[in-house]
Amino acid sequence: KNQVEQSPQSLIILEGKNCTLQCNYTVSPFSNLRWYKQDTGRGPVSLTIMTFSENTKSNGRYTATLDADTKQSSLHITASQLSDSASYICVVSPHYSGGFKTIFGAGTRLFVKA
Amino acid sequence: NAGVTQTPKFQVLKTGQSMTLQCAQDMNHEYMSWYRQDPGMGLRLIHYSVGAGITDQGEVPNGYNVSRSTTEDFPLRLLSAAPSQTSVYFCASSSIQGAETEAFFGQGTRLTVV
Repeated sequence: KNQVEQSPQSLIILEGKNCTLQCNYTVSPFSNLRWYKQDTGRGPVSLTIMTFSENTKSNGRYTATLDADTKQSSLHITASQLSDSASYICVVSPHYSGGFKTIFGAGTRLFVKA
Repeated sequence: NAGVTQTPKFQVLKTGQSMTLQCAQDMNHEYMSWYRQDPGMGLRLIHYSVGAGITDQGEVPNGYNVSRSTTEDFPLRLLSAAPSQTSVYFCASSSIQGAETEAFFGQGTRLTVV
């Protein structure tokens, strides 16, 4: 069964520190892998999208990496800000669906403290 | 620049009642979908549509109906609400073209069934 597992479930860091969130998946083959940020009470917003042939993608202080051999992705947040407090969701789209029937991870809840 | 608009934001229903969650997008996207988000779980696909007049079931379709009479609108109907349908519902839309297809989400509808 296709799965997307994220770790840790939650994380608390101090403002200004860096952190890395992990995503392991069993979906194969896949079309693309995305990271979303979801603020409390809001819908998810796309941070990065990577196809299976890409290794890294950046969006400001957010950098996503992908290792298709080990089926792992990570999201690195640099110099965290209070506004980074949110859930971060890893999403993988199976190749057969053309990217439509996506599989969502349960998310990592990040708390950035002053 | 509305994007994806969901109404209502909050709703309380009694068991057995029916209601329709509204979703509209102004980006001329072919693909629209409904998800539910429950604590500790990833978003799960309820129904989706790849264009006007075309709908299909997702992972958890029981108890829900959809229709797509126009490109812009994709309402979700709860036929006879049950407490198990207490959840946060998200509508999303995306363009079909290409592997790097970004999904845009609405702000969600928080539904409580008592």
